[in-house]
Amino acid sequence: DAGVIQSPRHEVTEMGQEVTLRCKPISGHNSLFWYRQTMMRGLELLIYFNNNVPIDDSGMPEDRFSAKMPNASFSTLKIQPSEPRDSAVYFCASSLEAYNSPLHFGNGTRLTVT
Amino acid sequence: GEDVEQSLFLSVREGDSSVINCTYTDSSSTYLYWYKQEPGAGLQLLTYIFSNMDMKQDQRLTVLLNKKDKHLSLRIADTQTGDSAIYFCAENPGGGADGLTFGKGTHLIIQP
Repeated sequence: DAGVIQSPRHEVTEMGQEVTLRCKPISGHNSLFWYRQTMMRGLELLIYFNNNVPIDDSGMPEDRFSAKMPNASFSTLKIQPSEPRDSAVYFCASSLEAYNSPLHFGNGTRLTVT
Repeated sequence: GEDVEQSLFLSVREGDSSVINCTYTDSSSTYLYWYKQEPGAGLQLLTYIFSNMDMKQDQRLTVLLNKKDKHLSLRIADTQTGDSAIYFCAENPGGGADGLTFGKGTHLIIQP
């Protein structure tokens, strides 16, 4: 079974550029989560979707960050304009919309903004 | 607030048992989880325990839950070099399907 697929695996960009991270959840999962991982802050939930609808985006750092889920099999996280402090590993995870449904993580996108 | 706390590092000798501890804050969490993260990879679900249980065993893994003290531990018996990873404790605040709150992770270091 294919797990959660994220692309690209690595992204290096210059400050001010737009960055788009992509995620394909596990087929049949109807909840999707975006997390950011840094050494200082650990794993932070940025936003999550249920049935393609954003439910809680309170973790999104600021207006430079936006996320969409146009259909059940695809989501994007966009940063525009990017800043060096956005450098982190960004994880996408999906789950069934149910109590005790564990999260299944992708392998992450390592973003470096210079 | 909702905080999950873990120590950052644990060093053990190969063959010994590893015990990773975690405290959480939300007493309404219905499940508590342990995830494992190997270098360059995402988090993999290792095991989980329902909040009305106090112990769960799965091969070399033993999870202990003290709900009164909101304390969770993961014991790995006969620790191997392949167990070297970061281990994350997580709770589901409110018991719902709104995502998990993770600790900062414990780096398990195996000494030969």
